Amino acid sequence: SAVISQKPSRDICQRGTSLTIQCQVDSQVTMMFWYRQQPGQSLTLIATANQGSEATYESGFVIDKFPISRPNLTFSTLTVSNMSPEDSSIYLCSVEVPVQETQYFGPGTRLLVL
Amino acid sequence: AQSVTQLDSHVSVSEGTPVLLRCNYSSSYSPSLFWYVQHPNKGLQLLLKYTSAATLVKGINGFEAEFKKSETSFHLTKPSAHMSDAAEYFCVVSDTGYQKVTFGTGTKLQVIP
Repeated sequence: SAVISQKPSRDICQRGTSLTIQCQVDSQVTMMFWYRQQPGQSLTLIATANQGSEATYESGFVIDKFPISRPNLTFSTLTVSNMSPEDSSIYLCSVEVPVQETQYFGPGTRLLVL
Repeated sequence: AQSVTQLDSHVSVSEGTPVLLRCNYSSSYSPSLFWYVQHPNKGLQLLLKYTSAATLVKGINGFEAEFKKSETSFHLTKPSAHMSDAAEYFCVVSDTGYQKVTFGTGTKLQVIP
């Protein structure tokens, strides 16, 4: 498996501000994923981040709102820009472990926007 | 296209009784299927996965699931519920192995002492 950490674990932010969430994994991985889990909902994929290329966004998510960086094979960041209360969610990163054909998830970042 | 339906949003069982969480999937190919568990204020933990090997898959904490292609189902079971099993369970499907996955809406399991 992979050990994944996220920072911050939770935050309370004011509307109109931006928050950058960090995801660190303990081994080199090719693909990392960012998900959103809105209150009481399931997980929705925001984007896929491959090292060395632009992130690929899912329908309904745009780079201006959720810019992603992937500077190396163990790290990625997701920024939630110009936040509104509707952005209050849990944001999770995951990594793929090809040998195990499985995604492993970080503990999540709980964001509340006031 | 892939999709997954978790048939129950809430399941309540008594401690020591069997658990059944139902999941049906739709897939254009031979799917990979997963069950993840999310305890309150915790991250997602992989319980088990099916990737075209044995149809009966054993996972952690005594859980198992059976892949039934004819019924397009992948139900999660456990013979005897424990209080620590109270959590939300997600069934997940992927047409492409494990990369592009689709989550079900989740089933909240309540275990009554």
